[in-house]
Amino acid sequence: DQQVKQNSPSLSVQEGRISILNCDYTNSMFDYFLWYKKYPAEGPTFLISISSIKDKNEDGRFTVFLNKSAKHLSLHIVPSQPGDSAVYFCAACFMNRDDKIIFGKGTRLHILP
Amino acid sequence: KAGVTQTPRYLIKTRGQQVTLSCSPISGHRSVSWYQQTPGQGLQFLFEYFSETQRNKGNFPGRFSGRQFSNSRSEMNVSTLELGDSALYLCASSTVAGAPPSTDTQYFGPGTRLTVL
Repeated sequence: DQQVKQNSPSLSVQEGRISILNCDYTNSMFDYFLWYKKYPAEGPTFLISISSIKDKNEDGRFTVFLNKSAKHLSLHIVPSQPGDSAVYFCAACFMNRDDKIIFGKGTRLHILP
Repeated sequence: KAGVTQTPRYLIKTRGQQVTLSCSPISGHRSVSWYQQTPGQGLQFLFEYFSETQRNKGNFPGRFSGRQFSNSRSEMNVSTLELGDSALYLCASSTVAGAPPSTDTQYFGPGTRLTVL
């Protein structure tokens, strides 16, 4: 049972446009969410996170939006750059519990020239 | 400072064999977590070690085991390998135990690509 779902295995976006990666979760008790980026032959690297007490967190070109009622979050990349081509993993966990992070299956983002 | 290192990077085994993977965390990090990445299941948590003690365990069979040494280096062992064990095995380290945000962010190694024939 996938508690964190990334329903789009891949996404292609023109360079300079906005990339929107989506993530849904089933457990309403999750209260902290993270996005990781992974290049081939490398481990995932942390990108941005958001606590459930917020609905938006911004860091440079990256913005994460959280819609708790819909149990949905999205990562916006503006403007998209060639170096953004990677696999993006959405992850969720519990802020006050010593428990594991649950990852989605990932979305492969292709930035087209 | 040096990042998380994993050895070997690539490994080919046959069904029924066993395998041991190694992970050296970032210096000063005492928590090591292991993950399995497959195309079908994404990143799945295997277990977490902190100060030589297993703190958390994912939903994997007992064929998957691990340990951590006093220098925080960790090993993961898979016995009686099955074809479905073919995956990228990632380890991640952090300064303290538990999931973010109680800890700082986990830092991942490059992974060990295991192929079971």
